[in-house]
Amino acid sequence: DVEVTQSPVSLPVTLGQPASISCRSRQTLDYSGGNTYWNWFQQRPGQSPRRLIYRVSNRDSRVPDRFSGGGSGTNFTLNISRVEAEDVGVYYCMLGTHWPPRKTFGQGTKLEIK
Amino acid sequence: QVQLMQSGAEAKKPGATVRVSCKASGYSFTEFDVHWVRQAPGQGLEWMGWMKFNTGRTVSAEKFQGRLTISGNTSISTAFMELSGLRSDDTAVYYCARGRIYFGEYDFDYWGQGTLVIVSS
Repeated sequence: DVEVTQSPVSLPVTLGQPASISCRSRQTLDYSGGNTYWNWFQQRPGQSPRRLIYRVSNRDSRVPDRFSGGGSGTNFTLNISRVEAEDVGVYYCMLGTHWPPRKTFGQGTKLEIK
Repeated sequence: QVQLMQSGAEAKKPGATVRVSCKASGYSFTEFDVHWVRQAPGQGLEWMGWMKFNTGRTVSAEKFQGRLTISGNTSISTAFMELSGLRSDDTAVYYCARGRIYFGEYDFDYWGQGTLVIVSS
């Protein structure tokens, strides 16, 4: 399996300020055919994970537009333009392949309000 | 609306087998797949395996091969995850999530509420 490294582990942010989370794969992968992709998830305390971003940069319909995803090559990021109190939780990236089905989650980033 | 409703918490002894169910509603069950993901206490997410219901094809993560069985009953729109040879480090919350191979927009878009499995002697 491809190794995924997520950073930072902890992210204290002041309300209204931006935040950024990074994920990196150890090797350069081929994204051109659409078989390999990145998703981002939010897990609020005591809740199931919730998908925020799929296929690198597509935001789910119920997700506020202050969340955005991007990246290429080996580096991918989740950005929050202005952090709000409801954004507290743990964020995970996931590197996936459709075939064969393989999914690798990042280690998680705990976002808290300063 | 789309919902995935999982079975209740389980307490098992080491060596036993646990079966968790995931009942789907609000969409055509056989047109989609299901993933199983687990989360040990205070830890991150770990993908376990996948099933495509219209073909019956399953794939398990290498770590779980030989211990994990994923199945489904299309007549009741329910997926099942069975893990055998339980150990204490299998204590975790187990989640089902909807998917659809090659359709990224449906990949992990809905999740069940989670099922806590505790393995202890």
